Amino acid sequence: AQTVTQSQPEMSVQEAETVTLSCTYDTSENNYYLFWYKQPPSRQMILVIRQEAYKQQNATENRFSVNFQKAAKSFSLKISDSQLGDTAMYFCAFSVAGAGSYQLTFGKGTKLSVIP
Amino acid sequence: DSGVTQTPKHLITATGQRVTLRCSPRSGDLSVYWYQQSLDQGLQFLIQYYNGEERAKGNILERFSAQQFPDLHSELNLSSLELGDSALYFCASSDSRDGPSGNTIYFGEGSWLTVV
Repeated sequence: AQTVTQSQPEMSVQEAETVTLSCTYDTSENNYYLFWYKQPPSRQMILVIRQEAYKQQNATENRFSVNFQKAAKSFSLKISDSQLGDTAMYFCAFSVAGAGSYQLTFGKGTKLSVIP
Repeated sequence: DSGVTQTPKHLITATGQRVTLRCSPRSGDLSVYWYQQSLDQGLQFLIQYYNGEERAKGNILERFSAQQFPDLHSELNLSSLELGDSALYFCASSDSRDGPSGNTIYFGEGSWLTVV
């Protein structure tokens, strides 16, 4: 079974600064996908960024980037130039490739507060 | 807007009752997933349907059932409701085809269920 661990229940960052959220996972699979989802106070789950395990290059989406360390089973999210709208719960998630079912296994989340 | 539509957005019902939550996936997506988010259990995968057939089952109680119809919309039926069933229920969809986009799951806004 796959597990996802987010060791930081809460974090805060000053507006315009950079923050890194940690995520580790455990799996015996070799081909899988990793995601970061954001859940603002509205409670909607919004996809932030995605990484395929077979890709060595770290994914980036505007101010969001990841540091994917496959051997260490680590997948951290870096948010640059933090904005007030980044205040949210951030969930790291994992899915296994193939078999047509990409169900996600989630970590427990990190609550990020951006301070003006 | 993810393109996944859920109704109702909020629902209050009494213990022992039965409710139905409805979901329309993104246009073209064949897979529908149901997730439960509660304070103590976090985000839990319940069940997945692909093109009308059950594809994967997670931590879904026997009192709960789901189906996907020929037009690909899905319903989650919750019966003999208990106080502990109060949660945010998400529907999500993906096209589940191999390739860069097939594995990405997009979430609806959720249905808030309160059992009193």
